[in-house]
Amino acid sequence: NAGVTQTPKFQVLKTGQSMTLQCAQDMNHNSMYWYRQDPGMGLRLIYYSASEGTTDKGEVPNGYNVSRLNKREFSLRLESAAPSQTSVYFCASSEAKGLSLETQYFGPGTRLLVL
Amino acid sequence: RKEVEQDPGPFNVPEGATVAFNCTYSNSASQSFFWYRQDCRKEPKLLMSVYSSGNEDGRFTAQLNRASQYISLLIRDSKLSDSATYLCVVNNNNDMRFGAGTRLTVKP
Repeated sequence: NAGVTQTPKFQVLKTGQSMTLQCAQDMNHNSMYWYRQDPGMGLRLIYYSASEGTTDKGEVPNGYNVSRLNKREFSLRLESAAPSQTSVYFCASSEAKGLSLETQYFGPGTRLLVL
Repeated sequence: RKEVEQDPGPFNVPEGATVAFNCTYSNSASQSFFWYRQDCRKEPKLLMSVYSSGNEDGRFTAQLNRASQYISLLIRDSKLSDSATYLCVVNNNNDMRFGAGTRLTVKP
């Protein structure tokens, strides 16, 4: 039981490049989330998916797209990366349907640097 | 003003000390509250929920003061392994807000 896995662990992009961050969970959880964490800012929710086939915007969705490919996988795409998107990205999942902090399990994070 | 504010620290305390963190929130309609722990370069992990009546889990005690809009975390008998950043999280109708965290270092 690996929990929540994320790939890649590290990535360096040039401004304007695109990439997809992958996230998978093997806990049969309904909800999945993408956050970014910046120094002095705390985690901020980018998008979440309350169930397979649904996605909703969080606090900071601009510049990102998501896909809930199936119940296990939730990907985050940057179509045209900008230096402001340099951050640590965390994926999380929860058994609850919808936003519920109490049961969220986080992946190990992806460190992204945009030059 | 940030919606959830924490003293960033760092708090440097000796082993065995008692340390307390406070967190203030701006939205009086907030409904649920949590403390998460995050080790350096690792993911956050739920430490405990915060209930209106206060709750305790071993050496950790969490309290909520709705009138003053703050939550607190008390750690008794600090261990070296308690060194981490403690994140305060406030949820209002599915709008979750994280504090930037308070860093704790417990020294031998």
